[in-house]
Amino acid sequence: QQQVKQSPQSLIVQKGGISIINCAYENTAFDYFPWYQQFPGKGPALLIAIRPDVSEKKEGRFTISFNKSAKQFSLHIMDSQPGDSATYFCAASSEGNTPLVFGKGTRLSVIA
Amino acid sequence: EAQVTQNPRYLITVTGKKLTVTCSQNMNHEYMSWYRQDPGLGLRQIYYSMNVEVTDKGDVPEGYKVSRKEKRNFPLILESPSPNQTSLYFCASSLSSREPLGEAFFGQGTRLTVV
Repeated sequence: QQQVKQSPQSLIVQKGGISIINCAYENTAFDYFPWYQQFPGKGPALLIAIRPDVSEKKEGRFTISFNKSAKQFSLHIMDSQPGDSATYFCAASSEGNTPLVFGKGTRLSVIA
Repeated sequence: EAQVTQNPRYLITVTGKKLTVTCSQNMNHEYMSWYRQDPGLGLRQIYYSMNVEVTDKGDVPEGYKVSRKEKRNFPLILESPSPNQTSLYFCASSLSSREPLGEAFFGQGTRLTVV
C-alpha cells in the first residue's frame, strides 16, 4: 500500500516555465511534508518542507502548496531552469518519530 | 564538514557471497536509516534505527540485516545476496524523523550489482 502517491512520474518543462509536481496521502496522522531533490549520482537533499498549519510556503523559486482537506500537497518551481533538472521526491511523516514515507519520485527535465 | 559516508560506492558481487556496506555519520545524529532506490519504485526504506542498539524493519527488510553498536555507524549486511538485491542503496541520518530537526542527510549512495 503506497502511502504517498506522487505524479507525474516524469515532467519536461521549457526554461522559464512553471514545474508542478503533485502528491496525495491517505494517512491523516501525517503532519510533516518535506520535498527532496536528487541530482544524478548524488543522494537526495532536503529542498523545502511544510507543516499542515499553513497552506503555502515559499523559498525563492520553490513553493509548496498544501490542501489539508483534499490531503494533497504540491511543489511549484517558478521560472524553471536547466539546473533544476533532477528527481524530486515528496515525503511525509507523523508524530512519534516515525520514518519518512517517500513518494516514487518525479524526474524533471528543464529544456532550453 | 557534516556528512554521511558510505562505502563502497560501487560493488559487484556474486550470489550468496556475504557483504557489508558501511555507513558513518559525523553529526551525532540519533536517527539513521537505509533505503534502496529502484527505477519506478522510488526510495524504499529497508531498516531504520532511532538510537544505539535500537533497530526496526522498514518496508523491505527481507534479505538484509543491520546493527547499531555505535551512534555514528549503521552498517547494512547482506548475508546471502541475490540478484533481486541489485539496486542503489542510500544511508541517511537525522536528528529526528520530523521537523524541525527532521532534515535527513543522505550519503552518496552504493550501487550494488549481484550476478
